[in-house]
Amino acid sequence: RKEVEQDPGPFNVPEGATVAFNCTYSNSASQSFFWYRQDCRKEPKLLMSVYSSGNEDGRFTAQLNRASQYISLLIRDSKLSDSATYLCAVNRNFNKFYFGSGTKLNVKP
Amino acid sequence: DTGVSQDPRHKITKRGQNVTFRCDPISEHNRLYWYRQTLGQGPEFLTYFQNEAQLEKSRLLSDRFSAERPKGSFSTLEIQRTEQGDSAMYLCASSAGLAGGKGTYNEQFFGPGTRLTVL
Repeated sequence: RKEVEQDPGPFNVPEGATVAFNCTYSNSASQSFFWYRQDCRKEPKLLMSVYSSGNEDGRFTAQLNRASQYISLLIRDSKLSDSATYLCAVNRNFNKFYFGSGTKLNVKP
Repeated sequence: DTGVSQDPRHKITKRGQNVTFRCDPISEHNRLYWYRQTLGQGPEFLTYFQNEAQLEKSRLLSDRFSAERPKGSFSTLEIQRTEQGDSAMYLCASSAGLAGGKGTYNEQFFGPGTRLTVL
């Protein structure tokens, strides 16, 4: 079983829509959680860390559900510029990181 | 630019040749990571350093791969006797650890990557 799993998508949504992605992780000892954005043929860029209490940054909201071992990312009022692949990452013992394969988002006019 | 830098950005080589990539992390960061990424996949962990110490290597990393960070600053990743299956994007990332600097303890910041093509 993979450490981190994501629905590859693509999610095709119109501008202005709200879209949510989930990411499940297999090891309950995972301690830190992150969402990254990756544009085609570019490096991943940190979007936000995910805290136990959840966190929000503008149109983006991240949640952690330890009981069910998943993290989520909600994007409100989608923009064309949000089109990208969204990667989740988890970390154990503050050492090795595990990344999912990413969820592709296409925001259409 | 105070971000992570990698050199070269692209490398084309013939099967069997050796290649070496360099990564310069964010200057205050004491943790440095190497990843490999292929099309449609997320970054796959290869190894990481805290200062000059290599603390973990992936079991997927064959003995043809070696990484160093001799002075706890820049790092090199060498692949010997390259194979076509080594073709990928090689990403470097750094994080602050206890040293402080950009981001929290374990938020990683990636360099632009080195795209390797083995013919």
